Amino acid sequence: ILNVEQSPQSLHVQEGDSTNFTCSFPSSNFYALHWYRWETAKSPEALFVMTLNGDEKKKGRISATLNTKEGYSYLYIKGSQPEDSATYLCAFISYNTDKLIFGTGTRLQVFP
Amino acid sequence: EPEVTQTPSHQVTQMGQEVILRCVPISNHLYFYWYRQILGQKVEFLVSFYNNEISEKSEIFDDQFSVERPDGSNFTLKIRSTKLEDSAMYFCAVSGYLHNEQFFGPGTRLTVL
Repeated sequence: ILNVEQSPQSLHVQEGDSTNFTCSFPSSNFYALHWYRWETAKSPEALFVMTLNGDEKKKGRISATLNTKEGYSYLYIKGSQPEDSATYLCAFISYNTDKLIFGTGTRLQVFP
Repeated sequence: EPEVTQTPSHQVTQMGQEVILRCVPISNHLYFYWYRQILGQKVEFLVSFYNNEISEKSEIFDDQFSVERPDGSNFTLKIRSTKLEDSAMYFCAVSGYLHNEQFFGPGTRLTVL
């Protein structure tokens, strides 16, 4: 059974703090890792699709790294703002499959 | 403008009844997916659909479930005889290419009484 784990489950930070969370996934048969941002009462929104070991992607203050050999990805948020408050989901895809296998998500709350 | 809309936003039904959940992609997409999230649990893959047929389905997607694109635009998920454990948030997603980022709809909350 393929399992994707995320930690921490939840995180409370002050505005301006930088933060990071982890996604662990199976290292064998890896094809891609997706990160999604999911605000309450909205649709999950794609942040990054990462495929190559060592990949590093950036979108504004948010960046992500990927290590496919050891099976983890980090998501970093620099200078958190209240509007960053959301659940951050990672999802793994292996070869020869269509399905995203999601982690439990990390719920981030940024206090002003 | 959202890539995907879903109707209804909330559906309440009696156990044993049939429900149809609808998804309308805004732009042209090739790949269609249904996921669900039972309260407090992970988002789970149900089915993927490409070229007018099911591409892959999970163990959850048993004979009670079916999908179709009857008119080439709406993408529907039918649950033939709902059970209490089908209560969940159901998300439709689309993508232009296999394994690319997926665009999710806002979800339909299904409550089975």
